[in-house]
Amino acid sequence: AQSVTQPDIHITVSEGASLELRCNYSYGATPYLFWYVQSPGQGLQLLLKYFSGDTLVQGIKGFEAEFKRSQSSFNLRKPSVHWSDAAEYFCAVQGGSEKLVFGKGTKLTVNP
Amino acid sequence: DTEVTQTPKHLVMGMTNKKSLKCEQHMGHRAMYWYKQKAKKPPELMFVYSYEKLSINESVPSRFSPECPNSSLLNLHLHALQPEDSALYLCASSQDPGQGSAEAFFGQGTRLTVV
Repeated sequence: AQSVTQPDIHITVSEGASLELRCNYSYGATPYLFWYVQSPGQGLQLLLKYFSGDTLVQGIKGFEAEFKRSQSSFNLRKPSVHWSDAAEYFCAVQGGSEKLVFGKGTKLTVNP
Repeated sequence: DTEVTQTPKHLVMGMTNKKSLKCEQHMGHRAMYWYKQKAKKPPELMFVYSYEKLSINESVPSRFSPECPNSSLLNLHLHALQPEDSALYLCASSQDPGQGSAEAFFGQGTRLTVV
């Protein structure tokens, strides 16, 4: 069965600083990988996804993520964080079924 | 239209009540999902419908009863809930069941409070 680990529960960055959120997955083959963002009390919005091909994927809102098979990682990055990026970020993995498994999430706080 | 619409947005119900949550999508997606999310936790899968048939039930208590009347609608019928069932209930849909590459689109959720 697939699983996801997000090692950082809470990250605080200053506005304009760069950001990297970590995600490690466990799955026997190449999984399908996703990053979602959730504002308080809201649903989840897909930021980006990796299925195959180029290991650096671009998403919405200036986010990107890099798939590294050797490290079983799919870290999310943004060069310059905006105050509106403050939210909860979830990494998710999907194996051979319809089941999407989420990590525990990383809460991002952005200081002015 | 890339929206998944959930109603109601908020629901307060007593432990003896019967209520239903509704979810609708018009993207032609053939897989629909119910997730439960407690505060400060990730979403947890409850049910998956593929081509209007229940394909995954994650050992959810029978007080939660899903229904998929057609390919655009998904309901979650609630009966005799407990206070610990209070949570955000999220509906999602994806294009093609079994194609793991199809990303899920989520609704805004129903905030359920059981009193």
